[in-house]
Amino acid sequence: GAVVSQHPSRVICKSGTSVKIECRSLDFQATTMFWYRQFPKQSLMLMATSNEGSKATYEQGVEKDKFLINHASLTLSTLTVTSAHPEDSSFYICSATLSGSYEQYFGPGTRLTVT
Amino acid sequence: KQEVTQIPAALSVPEGENLVLNCSFTDSAIYNLQWFRQDPGKGLTSLLLIQSSQREQTSGRLNASLDKSSGRSTLYIAASQPGDSATYLCAVPQGSTLGRLYFGRGTQLTVWP
Repeated sequence: GAVVSQHPSRVICKSGTSVKIECRSLDFQATTMFWYRQFPKQSLMLMATSNEGSKATYEQGVEKDKFLINHASLTLSTLTVTSAHPEDSSFYICSATLSGSYEQYFGPGTRLTVT
Repeated sequence: KQEVTQIPAALSVPEGENLVLNCSFTDSAIYNLQWFRQDPGKGLTSLLLIQSSQREQTSGRLNASLDKSSGRSTLYIAASQPGDSATYLCAVPQGSTLGRLYFGRGTQLTVWP
C-alpha cells in the first residue's frame, strides 16, 4: 500500500523560532498533498492544499505567511511554521493522494510543542 | 459549510460486542464518505470508502453504510476486540475537490477484555 512519512515525529522549539516539517510519499508520486492540524480532543482541520510546482491553497483563517508550504517535488512537501508561538502547539498531519484517486494516505503526524 | 457530527463521542464496551458508530453530515451533496481509524498520537488509517452511488462497503468485521438523502453513515463493528480500541473518524469531501476533507470529531472506542 501507499506509504506517507513525516519528519520529525516530535519537535519542541522555543517561541519565536521556525520549525520545518517534512511530508514524503515513499512509494508513489503525489501530485497533491494536504496539511491538517489537530488540537487535543478536536477533529482534523484542513490547513492547505499543496500542489507540486505551484503555490499552496490555504483554507480560510490560515495565515499563509506563518505556515509556509513548499511542494518542490512529487514526493515531498514541507510545512514551515514561522515565528512559532505556544498557540501553534498542535499535531500536524499530512496526507497525499494518487493522481485521480479519492483515497488519501496519511502520514503518522508531527507533534509540535512551542515553549 | 458542511458540518460533520459523530455520535457517541466515546464508547466503552466489553470484548465480543457488536457496535455501531454514527456519523451525520449537513450537506448531502457528497461524492463519497470515508471512515478512518486513529490510534493515540498517530496518523490515520483508512478503513472504508463509500462512493455516493453505493449503499455500503464491507471489510472483514467492518461494515459501513451510507444514506445520502438523510445525511447519515454508520460504521458497524462485529465481534469487537481490544485491538479495535482507537478513535474512529468519518470524513466527507469539501465540494468536488479531491482530497479536501471535512472531519467529524470522532468516536473514541475502548474495548475491554
